[in-house]
Amino acid sequence: EAQVTQNPRYLITVTGKKLTVTCSQNMNHEYMSWYRQDPGLGLRQIYYSMNVEVTDKGDVPEGYKVSRKEKRNFPLILESPSPNQTSLYFCASSLGTSLTEAFFGQGTRLTVV
Amino acid sequence: DAKTTQPNSMESNEEEPVHLPCNHSTISGTDYIHWYRQLPSQGPEYVIHGLTSNVNNRMASLAIAEDRKSSTLILHRATLRDAAVYYCILRAAGGTSYGKLTFGQGTILTVHP
Repeated sequence: EAQVTQNPRYLITVTGKKLTVTCSQNMNHEYMSWYRQDPGLGLRQIYYSMNVEVTDKGDVPEGYKVSRKEKRNFPLILESPSPNQTSLYFCASSLGTSLTEAFFGQGTRLTVV
Repeated sequence: DAKTTQPNSMESNEEEPVHLPCNHSTISGTDYIHWYRQLPSQGPEYVIHGLTSNVNNRMASLAIAEDRKSSTLILHRATLRDAAVYYCILRAAGGTSYGKLTFGQGTILTVHP
């Protein structure tokens, strides 16, 4: 089954404690990205990757890092989480064209206290 | 990025057709019109997309105005499972932003039994 898998689904952490949210896709997609969803602000892109070893900033990259060492994986790293990063995070993947659909993970609800 | 405008909310009764409008007056000639929906507690899922011609798939139909400045997502027979937030999104055909989905506020669809 084609899918994007995020882990964990829920996470509560403390300010400053480094964390990683994993994202994996099984569709051999080139394009992967991370979004955060906040009430009243909708979904905003954090980082994206057009292929292995190619990453770039989205609209709200501050406080986040990503890596793309393998095609299937695109982890989101918060080196020093802060309360304003409390949000619902989604990973997405798609083929390298706008002619096809994007697939989203189920989301990771992060709370930073 | 070209912007889309959708009504904040719409209501429908079960088994009736639903027409969800979207205005995109600044659309460029190469932008594709995509629709996604987000069910409660889930990631966005693809519904349909088109460029100029009307499109049909198993989920919905997409009617695109001749001047491409607006489009309408048509759910032929709404079910309770169709209650979701529906997003109308423009995707660039090329360049580095082809994969990016710029989400607006979307339309909250309520379906009454």
